Amino acid sequence: EVQLLESGGGSVQPGGSLRLSCAASGFRFSSFAMSWVRQAPGKGLEWVSVMSGSESGTDYADSVKGRFTITRDKSKSTLFLQMNSLRVEDTAVYYCAKGRDLGLSGFFDYWGQGTLVTVSS
Amino acid sequence: SYVLTQPPSVSVAPGKTANITCGGNNIGRISVHWYQQKSGQAPVVVITYDSDRPSGIPERFSGSNSGNTATLTISRVEAGDEADYYCQVWDRTSGHHVLFGGGTKLTVL
Repeated sequence: EVQLLESGGGSVQPGGSLRLSCAASGFRFSSFAMSWVRQAPGKGLEWVSVMSGSESGTDYADSVKGRFTITRDKSKSTLFLQMNSLRVEDTAVYYCAKGRDLGLSGFFDYWGQGTLVTVSS
Repeated sequence: SYVLTQPPSVSVAPGKTANITCGGNNIGRISVHWYQQKSGQAPVVVITYDSDRPSGIPERFSGSNSGNTATLTISRVEAGDEADYYCQVWDRTSGHHVLFGGGTKLTVL
């Protein structure tokens, strides 16, 4: 059974940092792209970042480029999102999502339950 | 950059058919995926590659994509279908970005 378990969310002041983790199980972690998708309170889904299964390809939404960094640890089947220079508008539930393919394409077939990040002074 | 446009809300009576649209420039040339998100839950994919239905998704859910509009159709709507629905594509015009539509709230009357 595929499981994605996010952690690391919490409250932080503007300008601060947080590191999110997503522990994956039930599938071959290195064979699939993984993404972070966020949802601000009462708003729609916003894609944040993706890393291919081979780790050769990454991409970021313009809204987070230069501030967020996606990485993955194959040995621990864990996806990370390092978030720096956080802004109030980064407040959201952050979901980890498994891609259907190795590369940067397709759809997300499994999602975690999300972790809430609140940026406020 | 590419933009996906969805109606904010669609209302339908039980047993009727709901059509939720996703508009984009020549969207018929790219693959569209659809997600259902019920209140307080993570999204679930209900249609992939325009019209494929993943295992476990009822046959009442179908999709089409042509020209400038992709459509998610839910036949014989049930109360349990009430949710937010999002379309998703890969925007190759700006790298390898994933793009979601703004979402449509389906209300079952």
